[in-house]
Amino acid sequence: GAVVSQHPSRVICKSGTSVKIECRSLDFQATTMFWYRQFPKQSLMLMATSNEGSKATYEQGVEKDKFLINHASLTLSTLTVTSAHPEDSSFYICSARDVAGYTDTQYFGPGTRLTVL
Amino acid sequence: AQSVTQLGSHVSVSEGALVLLRCNYSSSVPPYLFWYVQYPNQGLQLLLKYTTGATLVKGINGFEAEFKKSETSFHLTKPSAHMSDAAEYFCAVTSQNTGNQFYFGTGTSLTVIP
Repeated sequence: GAVVSQHPSRVICKSGTSVKIECRSLDFQATTMFWYRQFPKQSLMLMATSNEGSKATYEQGVEKDKFLINHASLTLSTLTVTSAHPEDSSFYICSARDVAGYTDTQYFGPGTRLTVL
Repeated sequence: AQSVTQLGSHVSVSEGALVLLRCNYSSSVPPYLFWYVQYPNQGLQLLLKYTTGATLVKGINGFEAEFKKSETSFHLTKPSAHMSDAAEYFCAVTSQNTGNQFYFGTGTSLTVIP
């Protein structure tokens, strides 16, 4: 099946620093990627929709200047958490939309655990 | 608008017993329905999905789910639970009209008792 990778899998940073998370579709082209965050024992909440070659669409309540998204190619989207604070600590998961073939579905990455000290 | 309700945030079954995880959805357009499993500190793994066609769908690891439009349900079942099934399970709904934005349920934590 389709594979989506995320890097890094785990990152610990100091408060005030910026962290970049990469999401790659390894064996298909993804014109659309999605970024979610998941707090402990909770479900996934969509943060933004990333479209290749255009600006991301952010969900209500998500600060676009804090969570910078760049979808520079058909296989790569990046999420940069700028000036991270402890409340940004979370599990960030990306997904990539594969529209090839009969069905249109998303494949999820393994997630990135961000801890801000 | 679309949404998913998962009844029961925690379900415990004995090893070898039937697993039933409930999912009800709300959608004003034909839904695409998914079940994902998440192991601790890992991402989501697709178990199965329904888009069109046969309403009983079979997935990996012996799981299956049936789309019942009249009941707006997509319950997940497995005839015989295995210890390795212990995980968090998420039901999700989307459709072509939403640009494939997913709406997730709050998840059900499955515990398998030896």
